[in-house]
Amino acid sequence: GEDVEQSLFLSVREGDSSVINCTYTDSSSTYLYWYKQEPGAGLQLLTYIFSNMDMKQDQRLTVLLNKKDKHLSLRIADTQTGDSAIYFCAESRNYQLIWGAGTKLIIKP
Amino acid sequence: DVKVTQSSRYLVKRTGEKVFLECVQDMDHENMFWYRQDPGLGLRLIYFSYDVKMKEKGDIPEGYSVSREKKERFSLILESASTNQTSMYLCASRSSGDNEQFFGPGTRLTVL
Repeated sequence: GEDVEQSLFLSVREGDSSVINCTYTDSSSTYLYWYKQEPGAGLQLLTYIFSNMDMKQDQRLTVLLNKKDKHLSLRIADTQTGDSAIYFCAESRNYQLIWGAGTKLIIKP
Repeated sequence: DVKVTQSSRYLVKRTGEKVFLECVQDMDHENMFWYRQDPGLGLRLIYFSYDVKMKEKGDIPEGYSVSREKKERFSLILESASTNQTSMYLCASRSSGDNEQFFGPGTRLTVL
């Protein structure tokens, strides 16, 4: 995913907040997505945000979108061991998804 | 409950073998996708199909072909497997007019 960039790893302590960042390049993208991949499993849609929004909250998840900087972030409050996974950022473009490389979230006890 | 299934979770093949990876979805989705996932590279689109018997090349189609004879089934074919095709293969489907893709559990292919 050369058009969508993410850090490859993030390590946080259990109970802290995790913030996973993503930058994208196409300002015409209508939707931006966060998918979660647990070990040995396929990807599952975690949340998404429409491009005319700047924030979306869903329980422990907060998505922030800065369209000017083409920056998307996913905040997970009170991180639990079950949040250990790879998190993929994706932007929609002509009904295709352009994917980041994925950020592996590591939880320290 | 939506479901995308893949024929194998793990597969080991030898160089030069012909390999078939099968994907079936039960959601009556028009669009189906094959990706490969490699560490540090994320998901790369190999082929996709927007209707029965229709197919389009993705970003990395070389060395692969696909078949979509029925709406629910999308097959990925490696005509002559090579070691650089060792990877995790993910199938996904999507309804037309919707952006969300639903993924299968993946097939980890090792080519020796």
